[in-house]
Parts: sequence; C-alpha cells; structure tokens
Amino acid sequence: KAGVTQTPRYLIKTRGQQVTLSCSPISGHRSVSWYQQTPGQGLQFLFEYFSETQRNKGNFPGRFSGRQFSNSRSEMNVSTLELGDSALYLCASSFVGRGKAFFGQGTRLTVV
Amino acid sequence: AQTVTQSQPEMSVQEAETVTLSCTYDTSESNYYLFWYKQPPSRQMILVIRQEAYKQQNATENRFSVNFQKAAKSFSLKISDSQLGDTAMYFCAFMKPQGGNSGGSNYKLTFGKGTLLTVNP
Repeated sequence: KAGVTQTPRYLIKTRGQQVTLSCSPISGHRSVSWYQQTPGQGLQFLFEYFSETQRNKGNFPGRFSGRQFSNSRSEMNVSTLELGDSALYLCASSFVGRGKAFFGQGTRLTVV
Repeated sequence: AQTVTQSQPEMSVQEAETVTLSCTYDTSESNYYLFWYKQPPSRQMILVIRQEAYKQQNATENRFSVNFQKAAKSFSLKISDSQLGDTAMYFCAFMKPQGGNSGGSNYKLTFGKGTLLTVNP
C-alpha cells in the first residue's frame, strides 16, 4: 500500500506570492491533517480535514487555507507569502477510529 | 490546552546500549493517545510507538518500549540495543480523541520540541 505522498518536495517562492501544496493520503484514509515545522516553533498544527470538511484549525492567520476533495486528497494554500512562512510542511493521514497518523515526506518551502 | 515537554534537547548513546528519552505532558483529559515519532535526516516522520491512556500495560514494539505513568503524566521511550539507524530526532506527541458526528477521533497532534538522539559506533 502506498504511503502518504506530498508534492512538490521542494519549493522556492518570492515574498508576496502564493503557493499550493498537495497531499495524497494512504488509500482508505479519510482524515488529512497539516503541520508546519520550523526550527524556532517546532511542529505546529495547521488544520485537519475529514470528508471534505475542516474539523480543526490551528492558530494560523487566514493566509493559510486548505481543502479536501472527494477522493480525500488535500491541498493547502498560503497566500501573500512572508519570509517566516519558510518551513517544512508535513501532511498526515489517518484511518478514522484507529488512533494513528502517518506522515508524508513533507514539502520544504523556502520564501525569498 | 495540552502541552508536551521534552526536557532533553540532545542525547547520545553507544551502539548496542540502551537509552531512555523523557516526555511529560499536561492535560485534564482522562482518555487520550500518546505517541513517539522518529524523524531521521530524511525528514520523514515515522511512527515508533503508540500508547492508549486507558491501557495500563506499557506498549512495546520490538526494541522500543514505553514507561507510561498516567498519574505523573510521564511517557518515556526506551530504546534497547541501539542501532546506528536509530539516529534521529524523536518527538513525543499527544492526541485527544474528539468524538462527534465525524465517526471517530479528530487527529490533532500536539508535539514536544524533540530530542536529538545520536547513536555512536
């Protein structure tokens, strides 16, 4: 069974631009959550989606948004990029009721 | 809000020896999950072990075991027979199951800051 797939793996963007990151969960997993990892703040929860609905949202500005499609694939979007948005963005998928989250390899975003 | 604290930023161990990583957490919940994740230099976050709070028995996965002390809110990870491939950042994480009409838990993990473990040959 394929694992969680995140694309792209690396991304360089300019301040003020917007970016879209993609996450394909493990087959059968309907919950997808997103995390931001930085050296200063560590791992922080962004949001979680289940059946195309956002169930949880972390403490991030409205520039961070996401969505989930009917096939459970998820995208997150960051608009008006700032230098501080440079981070590793991790996606995790879960099979509801099993109490385990499996992570993708992440997308390394660099804002210059 | 839940908090997770890992008091050891870095640790090292000799190959084949045993090492214990510490984690404490704060919550008012009685039912929750605790996890240890491993993040090697490849940056892939790998689930090492999971503990359900309502289970008194400590979880074990091969060379990895936990010491779960619910009253003390402590959750340490013991790695036996350390191998070079165990070199990684280790994160302790907490998850509170949230029910409702979603059919199960809401998967929001709260992580500690991590412990960088180096296994020396």
